[in-house]
Order: sequence, then C-alpha cells, then structure tokens
Amino acid sequence: DQQVKQNSPSLSVQEGRISILNCDYTNSMFDYFLWYKKYPAEGPTFLISISSIKDKNEDGRFTVFLNKSAKHLSLHIVPSQPGDSAVYFCAASAGGGGSNYKLTFGKGTLLTVNP
Amino acid sequence: GAVVSQHPSRVICKSGTSVKIECRSLDFQATTMFWYRQFPKQSLMLMATSNEGSKATYEQGVEKDKFLINHASLTLSTLTVTSAHPEDSSFYICSARLSSGVTFGSGTRLTVV
Repeated sequence: DQQVKQNSPSLSVQEGRISILNCDYTNSMFDYFLWYKKYPAEGPTFLISISSIKDKNEDGRFTVFLNKSAKHLSLHIVPSQPGDSAVYFCAASAGGGGSNYKLTFGKGTLLTVNP
Repeated sequence: GAVVSQHPSRVICKSGTSVKIECRSLDFQATTMFWYRQFPKQSLMLMATSNEGSKATYEQGVEKDKFLINHASLTLSTLTVTSAHPEDSSFYICSARLSSGVTFGSGTRLTVV
C-alpha cells in the first residue's frame, strides 16, 4: 500500500524552464511533507519542507505547494539548471508537526535538465 | 553541516553469511537513527528506528532476528544482515535525527550471491 505516490518516474525539461514534480498521498494523518534530492552514490539531501498548516513554502528557486483537500503536493523549480538533474523524493511524516522524522517516501522522480 | 558516514558503500556476500553495515555520525551525537531499505524502482522503506542504549523498534514485516541493529554509542549504529539470502539484496541507508531534521548516510548496495 503506497501511501506516498510519485506517479512520474521521470521528467525532462529544458534549462531555464520550470520543473514541476508531483506527489500524492493517501494518509490523512500526514502533517509534514519534505522533498529530498538524491544524486547517484550519495544519500538523499533535504531540499524543502512544508507543514500542513501552510499551502506554500518558498526557498530561492524552489517552491512547494500543498493542496490538503486533494492530498497533493508539488515541487516547482524555476529556473531549472542542469545541476538540478537528480532523483527527487517526496516524503511525509505523521504527528508532531514535523518533529517525528519517521518518514514515508515516494518512489522518486528522475529529473533531467537539458542544457 | 552534520554528516553521517556509512560503510561499506558496496558489498557482495555469499548466501548464508552475515554482513554488517555501519553508520557513524560525525561532529554530532545521534540519539536516534533510522534504517531504510530500497528495492529497485521502489521507495525507501523504513525498517527500524534505533535509539542509543535501547532496543530498536522494527516496522511491521521486518524480522528483528534477521536484521540486527545495535546503537551502543551516540555516534555509531550498525545493521547486521544475518544469514543473508539473494532476496536481501537491496540498497540500505541510514539517517540520523537532528534537532532540525534528519541527515542521511550515502547508502550501502548489498548483493547476495
């Protein structure tokens, strides 16, 4: 039972354009959501997060949007750069407003940004 | 920043043998570490949560006698895959809990032949 779903295994965009990575979840107990980026042979690195009390969080080129009613979140990267090419994981946790770091992950989306 | 060093990065072992994976927190103390496993084209799945000085808490469906976790110090947690079988071949990764979130090791690719 996949509680966090990333339905697009891959995404290819042109440098300078917007990348939109999507994530859906089924567990209504999730109250904190995170995006991680992973390069080959490295562990995931934290990118950005959002609490369920918000619908948007922005950090530089990265913005995460949360639609609680649809149980959907998305990560926008603009402008996209070739160095952004990596696997992006959506993750969620339940309880504690983010202090519980027992994470449930999606399968990941491979983003390729073409020069 | 806080770094977790995970070793080995790759290991090949024979079926029936045991393999130990280490995760060390550098420059910080990790009272809680999480162990994940990822099969090809699947998501990272939490296996267990280890707390320094106490027994690990295993997720449903994870055999505690097969996946031995030791967190005897604030800077070291180990996962031992006992009597490994080819179906245990997977990517194993640890993460350490910080006050501000978690930080991940670089992972271990285990292949059991």
